[in-house]
Amino acid sequence: DAGVIQSPRHEVTEMGQEVTLRCKPISGHNSLFWYRQTMMRGLELLIYFNNNVPIDDSGMPEDRFSAKMPNASFSTLKIQPSEPRDSAVYFCASSLAKVADHEQYFGPGTRLTVT
Amino acid sequence: DQQVKQNSPSLSVQEGRISILNCDYTNSMFDYFLWYKKYPAEGPTFLISISSIKDKNEDGRFTVFLNKSAKHLSLHIVPSQPGDSAVYFCAATAWGDKLIFGTGTRLQVFP
Repeated sequence: DAGVIQSPRHEVTEMGQEVTLRCKPISGHNSLFWYRQTMMRGLELLIYFNNNVPIDDSGMPEDRFSAKMPNASFSTLKIQPSEPRDSAVYFCASSLAKVADHEQYFGPGTRLTVT
Repeated sequence: DQQVKQNSPSLSVQEGRISILNCDYTNSMFDYFLWYKKYPAEGPTFLISISSIKDKNEDGRFTVFLNKSAKHLSLHIVPSQPGDSAVYFCAATAWGDKLIFGTGTRLQVFP
């Protein structure tokens, strides 16, 4: 299995631009999670989906962030407009189960830099 | 406010010695705890976990200890190896809800 696939691996953009991060979960997994890693706050859960339905988006920082999961094999995280404080590493993870005590498999991450 | 805290951002240990990584939490409802390991340019990978009904769980060189009264858990690596050099994240969950991660501790194992 290829594992969780994220693209792009690196993204550099200017403030105000739209950014779209992409994720392909492991085939057969029915839960998908988007995390953001920063030095100050560690790994923060932004949103998670179960069977393509958003379950908890309380971690989404503000309306500039949106996420979709149109089917079981694809999800996007969009930031519009982007700001320098959005610079971080964004991880996508997938799991066989909704409950958090079931192992989550992480992708390699997308390092976002907003100048 | 951080519900899961890793107060040591870094730790340096000699190869062959014991590495002890610490984690404190504030939410008494947490009932399951996990440790993830992260190498540079890779995503975190699951390492070991423990349920709140236990106080110890062991897997090879890795042992996690849980002290519920102190709301503290620790990860022991014995013996430490250079390949263990990574960032270690502690995480917790209550009733299978979302994982709450700490800020991570960077472990360096030197020869």
